[in-house]
Amino acid sequence: QVQLQESGPGLVKPSETLSLTCTVSGDSMHSYHWSWIRQPPEKGLEWIGYVYNGGSTNYNPSLTSRVSISVGTSNNQFSLRLTSVTAADTAVYYCARGSWVSSGWYVPHFYFDLWGQGALVTVSS
Amino acid sequence: DIQMTQSPSSLSASVGDRVTITCRASQNIRNYLNWYQHKPGKAPKLLIYAASSLQGGVPSRFSGSGSGTDFTLSISSLQPEDFATYYCQQSYSTPPMYTFGQGTKLEIK
Repeated sequence: QVQLQESGPGLVKPSETLSLTCTVSGDSMHSYHWSWIRQPPEKGLEWIGYVYNGGSTNYNPSLTSRVSISVGTSNNQFSLRLTSVTAADTAVYYCARGSWVSSGWYVPHFYFDLWGQGALVTVSS
Repeated sequence: DIQMTQSPSSLSASVGDRVTITCRASQNIRNYLNWYQHKPGKAPKLLIYAASSLQGGVPSRFSGSGSGTDFTLSISSLQPEDFATYYCQQSYSTPPMYTFGQGTKLEIK
């Protein structure tokens, strides 16, 4: 049974860097995209970005200047770094696996078929 | 960005009821629409992908329909475990920029 588990500090000071790790157990990371998604308190879900093919990335344009997602050296982990955080970055952060099926004519249908339980990160001094 | 708007924001229903949740996209997204169920403190769960394809292991009382800008998630006979928040998400944008609806909270009446 494949599982994802987020880990990292629950409290980060303003202007510092938020770092989280997602550990994937029960399957290989090959052939999937690996995303970070967040949910600020009382707000909706926001896709942050993903890593695939061992290192290629795609990011939400609103965060691209501050975000970095990478695969860990152990090959069963991937990580999120978000620099220069403010209170607006306070959120539950989820890691998720991205899969897809061919549409036959356009880009594949992409969906998040497995999620972690989430990690609350609070930005406060 | 493609904006996703769900309605209603919250819904009260009873066990056994049929419920429908609507998701509207700000532009034509063909059938690039997914639905998720989220319970507090749990990992969100994929229910439907490509607007109408049921994810493996999801009960058949869940169904999705729609194309273009208007989509629905239906639950044919509510069970106690179905009370949760439901989100739609589009995957049409290229380069990728996945966006979610604001969620619909389904509560017990």
